[in-house]
Amino acid sequence: DAGVTQSPTHLIKTRGQQVTLRCSPISGHKSVSWYQQVLGQGPQFIFQYYEKEERGRGNFPDRFSARQFPNYSSELNVNALLLGDSALYLCASATTPLAEAFFGQGTRLTVV
Amino acid sequence: GQQLNQSPQSMFIQEGEDVSMNCTSSSIFNTWLWYKQEPGEGPVLLIALYKAGELTSNGRLTAQFGITRKDSFLNISASIPSDVGIYFCAGQLGAGNNRKLIWGLGTSLAVNP
Repeated sequence: DAGVTQSPTHLIKTRGQQVTLRCSPISGHKSVSWYQQVLGQGPQFIFQYYEKEERGRGNFPDRFSARQFPNYSSELNVNALLLGDSALYLCASATTPLAEAFFGQGTRLTVV
Repeated sequence: GQQLNQSPQSMFIQEGEDVSMNCTSSSIFNTWLWYKQEPGEGPVLLIALYKAGELTSNGRLTAQFGITRKDSFLNISASIPSDVGIYFCAGQLGAGNNRKLIWGLGTSLAVNP
């Protein structure tokens, strides 16, 4: 069975640009969460979606937005990129918001 | 953002040694999770704990959910080179739309063969 898949794996953007990251959850999983992991730190929670509705939001500015589609895949959008947005962006899927989350390999975003 | 206090920050041990790491917080958690992350990969779930006092094993790994619900430890017995990686604890807080995972900063483990 395919695990959580994220695309792209690597991305380089310039300051001020916008980026869209994509995540496909494990088949049967309806919950998707997004995390930002800066080098040397643990993941920081950004959003959780379940059944296409937002179920949780971390302390990130409004430049960060996300959505979940009818097939439970998800996109994370970041507008007006800053250098500090450079990080590994992780997507995790679970059957429900309280169940164990399984992570994808992440998207490495570099803002220059 | 919120973080758990995870220690030690790093460990360098000989193959065959046992390893112990822990996480503490001032907050009460309803779930504790332990993950391992290898370079270029996302975290992989090792053990999940759901009840205070719960002791759970997964092969050479053993983890416990503290009685106060504010701490957890992870032990690795008879370490091997493939145990190398960063180990993260994560605690789940809240309910409903306020559910979220809070992560430790990780324990970096190096094993000398």
